Amino acid sequence: EIVLTQSPGTLSLSPGERATLSCRASQSVTYNYLAWYQQKPGQAPRLLIYGASSRATGIPDRFSGSGSGTDFTLTISRLEPEDFAVYYCQHYGSSPRTFGQGTKVEIK
Amino acid sequence: QVQLVQSGAEVKKPGSSVKVSCKTSGGNFRSYSISWVRQAPGQGLEWMGGIIPVFGTADYAQKFQGRVTITTDESTSTAYMELSSLNSEATAVYYCARGMVRGDFSALDIWGQGTKVTVSS
Repeated sequence: EIVLTQSPGTLSLSPGERATLSCRASQSVTYNYLAWYQQKPGQAPRLLIYGASSRATGIPDRFSGSGSGTDFTLTISRLEPEDFAVYYCQHYGSSPRTFGQGTKVEIK
Repeated sequence: QVQLVQSGAEVKKPGSSVKVSCKTSGGNFRSYSISWVRQAPGQGLEWMGGIIPVFGTADYAQKFQGRVTITTDESTSTAYMELSSLNSEATAVYYCARGMVRGDFSALDIWGQGTKVTVSS
């Protein structure tokens, strides 16, 4: 089973700042099948990034994903008020398709 | 536009079972995977298992093997998740979500609204 470890647990930033979130896998992720999701309180998660670096439909270009193998990064170039939320990574190349524990991006 | 609509909230006794449904409207039901994801109160997301209707065989996370059953009814474009031997740890919101690529498990681009299951004596 691939274990995904996200860091930091909480990121305290101001609107307009850059956010860098990390997701590290315990073994190499097949074909870089790594996704990022955003979740706000009381809502279902929303897909942001798939295949490590491809933006999902309708996702603003301030969100970008990078990385390969075992180290992946989600970058939000300039935080908008609506970006404060919890972010999860997930691998989907093999079973079980586990999630990381999440990173909360909060307003400083 | 594809939508997933889940069944309503449930309150269950310890030791009982719960069956949650997830109806797909629009799109091709048979070819896309449906995964079930659990979220306990204040906790993260947990992948329980999934199924690709056209293949019929479900894939389960080891943690849930023997206690969860995922099935589909193609006539109604509905997927089901049944969890047995409920205990307090099963109190959570359960989401169904569709994979974005035909014929394989993939990133989850469409989600149901979630079903809250409460286990209480």
